[in-house]
Amino acid sequence: GIQVEQSPPDLILQEGANSTLRCNFSDSVNNLQWFHQNPWGQLINLFYIPSGTKQNGRLSATTVATERYSLLYISSSQTTDSGVYFCAVGGTSYDKVIFGPGTSLSVIP
Amino acid sequence: DAGVTQSPTHLIKTRGQQVTLRCSPKSGHDTVSWYQQALGQGPQFIFQYYEEEERQRGNFPDRFSGHQFPNYSSELNVNALLLGDSALYLCASSQSGTRAQYFGPGTRLTVT
Repeated sequence: GIQVEQSPPDLILQEGANSTLRCNFSDSVNNLQWFHQNPWGQLINLFYIPSGTKQNGRLSATTVATERYSLLYISSSQTTDSGVYFCAVGGTSYDKVIFGPGTSLSVIP
Repeated sequence: DAGVTQSPTHLIKTRGQQVTLRCSPKSGHDTVSWYQQALGQGPQFIFQYYEEEERQRGNFPDRFSGHQFPNYSSELNVNALLLGDSALYLCASSQSGTRAQYFGPGTRLTVT
C-alpha cells in the first residue's frame, strides 16, 4: 500500500514566523488532502490538492504529483495555528485514505 | 448547512462490552468512512460505506462492523471491547465521484 511520510514531526514557531510542512508519498495518488487537527480533536479540511497550487489566506499548498510530494506553507503564524497537521492520500476514489503521522505545530506568543 | 455530526461525544465502556457509535453525513454526501485514531497517531481507516454496503475495509478484525441506512447515516459497532480499542473514532463523509472527505468531531471511547 501507499506509504506517507511527513516532516518535520514537531515544530515550534514564534508568532509571526513562516513555516513549510512536507508530505512524501510512495506511489501515484489521485487524492491528497491537508488537515489541521485542533487540540479538541476536530479535523479541519485545509486543502484538497492532488496536484497544483492553492492558496487560502495565510495558507497555501503545492503538490508535485510526478515527484510524489506536497508542501503546506503557513505564513505569519498565529497561536491558533497550533495543532497537528496531517497529509492524507488515496489512489483512486474507492481507495482507503492513508494518513501520514502528522506534524505537531506549536506557535508561541 | 450542517456538517458531519457524531454521537455520543464521549463514552466509557468495560472490557468485553459492545458499543455503537453513530454518524450523520454532511448534507448532500452519500459516502461514509470510519477511522480510529489512537493517542499521538494519525487516523487509521476502518471501513467505508456507500449505497448501504461496505465498499472498502482496512486492517481491522471482524469485531468491527458497520451499517449504513437509506438516509446515508451510519453506525460503527465494536464487539468484545479490548483495552486497545480506546481511541478517538472519527467519521468522514464525501460525495460519490469526489474524493474530498469532511470529518465529524469524533467520539472518544475509553475502555476500562
